Amino acid sequence: AQSVSQHNHHVILSEAASLELGCNYSYGGTVNLFWYVQYPGQHLQLLLKYFSGDPLVKGIKGFEAEFIKSKFSFNLRKPSVQWSDTAEYFCAVSPGDYNNDMRFGAGTRLTVKP
Amino acid sequence: EAQVTQNPRYLITVTGKKLTVTCSQNMNHEYMSWYRQDPGLGLRQIYYSMNVEVTDKGDVPEGYKVSRKEKRNFPLILESPSPNQTSLYFCASSGLAGPTSYEQYFGPGTRLTVT
Repeated sequence: AQSVSQHNHHVILSEAASLELGCNYSYGGTVNLFWYVQYPGQHLQLLLKYFSGDPLVKGIKGFEAEFIKSKFSFNLRKPSVQWSDTAEYFCAVSPGDYNNDMRFGAGTRLTVKP
Repeated sequence: EAQVTQNPRYLITVTGKKLTVTCSQNMNHEYMSWYRQDPGLGLRQIYYSMNVEVTDKGDVPEGYKVSRKEKRNFPLILESPSPNQTSLYFCASSGLAGPTSYEQYFGPGTRLTVT
């Protein structure tokens, strides 16, 4: 079964700083890749997803992620963070043809200082 | 409005007292799933259902039961709750076709405390 590693447990940035959150997965086959965000006290919302095609995926709120197949990575980036980006971010992976086995990383808590 | 609803949102109970957390979606999704979220562990899948009357175990099914008698509902049952089931629970659903296929939509969460 696949597994997901998120390298950073807690990231603290100042507003306007650039963000990169790491995500690596272990699975030998085709995968669907996701980043979800959880704002304080709220449920998870989809930021972006990759199924196939262009490995650079753009999502909502200025976020993007790059799928690097050779590195089994799907890192999340944002050029300039805002205070409102303070949240917990989860990387998730599911097998290419099914979504019944979605695995989540442990999450990265992002704190943006105004 | 497309949504996944869960009830109750907060629940404090005692060890051994059976409880049910309801989950309902209005998007006609085939797939539904339950997760628990614990600090440092992310979300772990408890059970999932690919369609009515089709359910299967996820990573951490022990101590939980589910049923899928109707497409829109997927209740989570704790027959005899224990303190280690204190957690934040999320229900999710997704379709299996179309442009949003495989995207999971999450409910607002149920915070359960078992004393």
